[in-house]
Amino acid sequence: DTAVSQTPKYLVTQMGNDKSIKCEQNLGHDTMYWYKQDSKKFLKIMFSYNNKELIINETVPNRFSPKSPDKAHLNLHINSLELGDSAVYFCASSQVGRSGRASGEQFFGPGTRLTVL
Amino acid sequence: AQSVTQLGSHVSVSEGALVLLRCNYSSSVPPYLFWYVQYPNQGLQLLLKYTTGATLVKGINGFEAEFKKSETSFHLTKPSAHMSDAAEYFCAVSAGSSNTGKLIFGQGTTLQVKP
Repeated sequence: DTAVSQTPKYLVTQMGNDKSIKCEQNLGHDTMYWYKQDSKKFLKIMFSYNNKELIINETVPNRFSPKSPDKAHLNLHINSLELGDSAVYFCASSQVGRSGRASGEQFFGPGTRLTVL
Repeated sequence: AQSVTQLGSHVSVSEGALVLLRCNYSSSVPPYLFWYVQYPNQGLQLLLKYTTGATLVKGINGFEAEFKKSETSFHLTKPSAHMSDAAEYFCAVSAGSSNTGKLIFGQGTTLQVKP
Protein backbone atom coordinates (compact mmCIF):
# COMPACT_ATOMS: atom_id res chain seq x y z
CA ASP A 1 0.00 0.00 0.00
CA THR A 2 1.21 3.47 -0.87
CA ALA A 3 1.86 5.54 2.27
CA VAL A 4 1.55 9.00 0.72
CA SER A 5 -0.04 9.29 -2.70
CA GLN A 6 -0.46 12.27 -4.97
CA THR A 7 -2.52 12.79 -8.10
CA PRO A 8 -1.80 13.59 -10.78
CA LYS A 9 1.87 12.73 -11.25
CA TYR A 10 2.19 15.09 -14.21
CA LEU A 11 0.18 18.21 -14.90
CA VAL A 12 0.64 20.34 -18.01
CA THR A 13 -1.54 23.40 -18.35
CA GLN A 14 -1.79 26.86 -19.80
CA MET A 15 -1.11 30.12 -18.00
CA GLY A 16 -4.18 31.51 -16.29
CA ASN A 17 -5.82 28.15 -15.66
CA ASP A 18 -6.87 26.81 -12.26
CA LYS A 19 -5.69 23.38 -11.17
CA SER A 20 -5.71 21.11 -8.13
CA ILE A 21 -3.34 18.50 -6.79
CA LYS A 22 -4.61 15.89 -4.38
CA CYS A 23 -2.74 14.17 -1.57
CA GLU A 24 -3.72 11.31 0.67
CA GLN A 25 -1.84 9.52 3.44
CA ASN A 26 -2.81 6.22 5.03
CA LEU A 27 -0.29 6.34 7.86
CA GLY A 28 -2.60 7.83 10.47
CA HIS A 29 -0.35 10.88 10.84
CA ASP A 30 -1.65 14.11 12.33
CA THR A 31 0.32 16.53 10.16
CA MET A 32 0.59 17.02 6.41
CA TYR A 33 2.75 19.35 4.33
CA TRP A 34 3.14 20.78 0.85
CA TYR A 35 6.64 21.48 -0.47
CA LYS A 36 7.73 23.10 -3.71
CA GLN A 37 10.92 21.90 -5.41
CA ASP A 38 12.24 24.28 -8.02
CA SER A 39 14.37 23.56 -11.07
CA LYS A 40 17.53 23.75 -8.95
CA LYS A 41 16.04 21.08 -6.66
CA PHE A 42 15.68 23.49 -3.75
CA LEU A 43 12.92 22.32 -1.41
CA LYS A 44 10.79 24.86 0.37
CA ILE A 45 7.81 24.29 2.59
CA MET A 46 4.60 26.01 1.55
CA PHE A 47 1.93 24.87 3.97
CA SER A 48 1.33 22.52 6.84
CA TYR A 49 -1.85 21.27 8.45
CA ASN A 50 -2.09 19.64 11.86
CA ASN A 51 -5.37 17.86 12.50
CA LYS A 52 -7.01 19.88 9.72
CA GLU A 53 -5.75 23.17 11.15
CA LEU A 54 -3.39 25.37 9.14
CA ILE A 55 -0.19 25.77 11.16
CA ILE A 56 2.40 26.80 8.58
CA ASN A 57 1.73 29.29 5.84
CA GLU A 58 4.96 30.47 4.30
CA THR A 59 5.16 33.46 2.02
CA VAL A 60 3.10 31.91 -0.72
CA PRO A 61 0.89 33.86 -3.18
CA ASN A 62 -2.81 33.92 -2.37
CA ARG A 63 -3.37 32.04 -5.62
CA PHE A 64 -2.33 28.92 -3.69
CA SER A 65 -4.97 27.58 -1.35
CA PRO A 66 -4.60 24.36 0.62
CA LYS A 67 -7.64 22.46 1.78
CA SER A 68 -7.74 19.67 4.32
CA PRO A 69 -11.12 17.93 4.42
CA ASP A 70 -9.82 15.45 6.99
CA LYS A 71 -6.56 14.37 8.62
CA ALA A 72 -5.72 12.00 5.78
CA HIS A 73 -6.09 14.49 2.93
CA LEU A 74 -4.42 17.75 2.02
CA ASN A 75 -5.20 19.16 -1.40
CA LEU A 76 -3.57 22.11 -3.12
CA HIS A 77 -5.55 24.38 -5.39
CA ILE A 78 -3.78 26.91 -7.58
CA ASN A 79 -5.63 29.78 -9.29
CA SER A 80 -4.45 31.76 -12.29
CA LEU A 81 -1.37 29.68 -12.93
CA GLU A 82 1.83 31.50 -13.88
CA LEU A 83 5.00 30.34 -15.61
CA GLY A 84 6.88 30.59 -12.32
CA ASP A 85 4.61 28.01 -10.75
CA SER A 86 6.26 25.31 -12.83
CA ALA A 87 7.94 22.99 -10.33
CA VAL A 88 7.61 19.65 -8.62
CA TYR A 89 5.18 19.73 -5.70
CA PHE A 90 5.60 17.21 -2.91
CA CYS A 91 3.13 16.25 -0.27
CA ALA A 92 4.43 14.79 3.00
CA SER A 93 3.08 13.65 6.33
CA SER A 94 4.41 13.04 9.80
CA GLN A 95 3.29 12.41 13.35
CA VAL A 96 4.19 15.55 15.27
CA GLY A 97 2.13 15.04 18.39
CA ARG A 98 2.46 17.30 21.40
CA SER A 99 6.17 18.02 21.07
CA GLY A 100 5.58 20.24 18.09
CA ARG A 101 8.89 19.27 16.52
CA ALA A 102 9.57 16.96 13.63
CA SER A 103 11.31 14.34 15.73
CA GLY A 104 9.88 11.70 13.51
CA GLU A 105 10.26 10.95 9.87
CA GLN A 106 8.38 12.88 7.25
CA PHE A 107 7.03 10.57 4.58
CA PHE A 108 6.97 12.05 1.11
CA GLY A 109 4.72 11.38 -1.83
CA PRO A 110 6.14 10.75 -5.31
CA GLY A 111 5.63 14.35 -6.40
CA THR A 112 3.54 16.15 -9.00
CA ARG A 113 5.45 17.77 -11.83
CA LEU A 114 3.56 20.90 -12.84
CA THR A 115 4.41 22.54 -16.14
CA VAL A 116 2.79 25.84 -17.00
CA LEU A 117 2.99 26.82 -20.69
CA ALA B 1 16.09 30.83 13.21
CA GLN B 2 17.33 27.58 11.73
CA SER B 3 19.35 27.16 8.58
CA VAL B 4 21.28 24.44 6.79
CA THR B 5 24.26 24.71 4.47
CA GLN B 6 25.44 21.81 2.36
CA LEU B 7 28.98 22.31 1.13
CA GLY B 8 29.34 21.19 -2.45
CA SER B 9 26.34 21.02 -4.74
CA HIS B 10 27.96 18.18 -6.65
CA VAL B 11 30.19 15.38 -5.36
CA SER B 12 31.72 12.73 -7.57
CA VAL B 13 33.33 9.53 -6.25
CA SER B 14 34.46 6.26 -7.74
CA GLU B 15 32.63 3.06 -6.93
CA GLY B 16 34.08 1.63 -3.74
CA ALA B 17 35.44 4.97 -2.53
CA LEU B 18 34.47 6.82 0.62
CA VAL B 19 31.42 9.05 0.39
CA LEU B 20 31.46 12.28 2.43
CA LEU B 21 28.65 14.78 2.11
CA ARG B 22 28.97 17.87 4.28
CA CYS B 23 26.24 19.61 6.22
CA ASN B 24 26.48 22.50 8.65
CA TYR B 25 23.52 23.85 10.53
CA SER B 26 22.48 26.84 12.56
CA SER B 27 19.89 26.48 15.28
CA SER B 28 18.86 28.53 18.30
CA VAL B 29 17.58 25.40 20.05
CA PRO B 30 19.02 21.88 20.29
CA PRO B 31 18.60 20.66 16.73
CA TYR B 32 16.94 17.63 15.30
CA LEU B 33 18.88 16.75 12.14
CA PHE B 34 17.99 14.60 9.17
CA TRP B 35 19.45 13.29 5.94
CA TYR B 36 17.08 12.49 3.11
CA VAL B 37 17.83 10.90 -0.27
CA GLN B 38 15.96 11.57 -3.50
CA TYR B 39 16.37 9.16 -6.38
CA PRO B 40 15.52 10.44 -9.86
CA ASN B 41 11.83 11.20 -10.33
CA GLN B 42 10.95 10.07 -6.82
CA GLY B 43 10.03 11.60 -3.51
CA LEU B 44 12.37 11.94 -0.56
CA GLN B 45 13.26 9.02 1.67
CA LEU B 46 14.75 9.30 5.15
CA LEU B 47 18.29 7.96 5.43
CA LEU B 48 18.87 8.73 9.10
CA LYS B 49 18.10 11.20 11.85
CA TYR B 50 19.60 12.60 15.04
CA THR B 51 17.34 13.80 17.83
CA THR B 52 19.04 13.06 21.14
CA GLY B 53 21.45 10.51 22.57
CA ALA B 54 24.27 8.89 20.62
CA THR B 55 25.90 11.36 18.30
CA LEU B 56 26.87 8.75 15.71
CA VAL B 57 23.74 7.59 13.97
CA LYS B 58 23.44 4.79 11.48
CA GLY B 59 20.94 4.75 8.70
CA ILE B 60 19.83 2.68 5.78
CA ASN B 61 22.05 1.49 2.93
CA GLY B 62 25.24 1.67 5.01
CA PHE B 63 25.14 5.43 5.59
CA GLU B 64 25.97 7.07 8.89
CA ALA B 65 26.33 10.60 10.21
CA GLU B 66 27.90 12.17 13.25
CA PHE B 67 26.44 15.11 15.14
CA LYS B 68 29.20 17.46 16.24
CA LYS B 69 27.82 20.29 18.31
CA SER B 70 31.12 22.13 18.57
CA GLU B 71 31.41 22.22 14.79
CA THR B 72 27.64 22.60 14.15
CA SER B 73 28.01 19.80 11.62
CA PHE B 74 26.17 16.65 10.63
CA HIS B 75 28.22 15.15 7.82
CA LEU B 76 27.02 12.04 6.01
CA THR B 77 29.44 9.23 5.24
CA LYS B 78 29.53 5.80 3.67
CA PRO B 79 32.72 3.73 3.60
CA SER B 80 32.24 2.33 0.11
CA ALA B 81 30.12 3.91 -2.61
CA HIS B 82 27.86 1.81 -4.77
CA MET B 83 26.49 2.76 -8.16
CA SER B 84 22.98 2.69 -6.68
CA ASP B 85 23.94 5.52 -4.28
CA ALA B 86 23.84 8.04 -7.12
CA ALA B 87 21.08 10.44 -6.10
CA GLU B 88 20.33 13.83 -4.57
CA TYR B 89 20.98 14.14 -0.84
CA PHE B 90 19.36 16.68 1.44
CA CYS B 91 20.30 17.65 4.97
CA ALA B 92 17.50 19.14 7.08
CA VAL B 93 17.00 20.64 10.51
CA SER B 94 13.85 20.78 12.54
CA ALA B 95 12.69 24.30 13.27
CA GLY B 96 12.11 25.26 16.87
CA SER B 97 8.60 26.64 16.48
CA SER B 98 5.91 24.93 18.47
CA ASN B 99 3.43 22.54 16.91
CA THR B 100 4.70 22.82 13.37
CA GLY B 101 7.01 19.93 12.62
CA LYS B 102 8.66 22.23 10.11
CA LEU B 103 11.86 21.10 8.39
CA ILE B 104 14.40 23.46 6.86
CA PHE B 105 16.28 21.82 3.99
CA GLY B 106 19.74 22.48 2.64
CA GLN B 107 20.32 23.13 -1.03
CA GLY B 108 21.01 19.49 -1.78
CA THR B 109 24.11 17.64 -2.99
CA THR B 110 24.13 15.55 -6.12
CA LEU B 111 26.20 12.41 -5.65
CA GLN B 112 27.68 10.92 -8.78
CA VAL B 113 29.27 7.47 -8.59
CA LYS B 114 31.68 6.55 -11.35
CA PRO B 115 32.40 2.94 -12.30
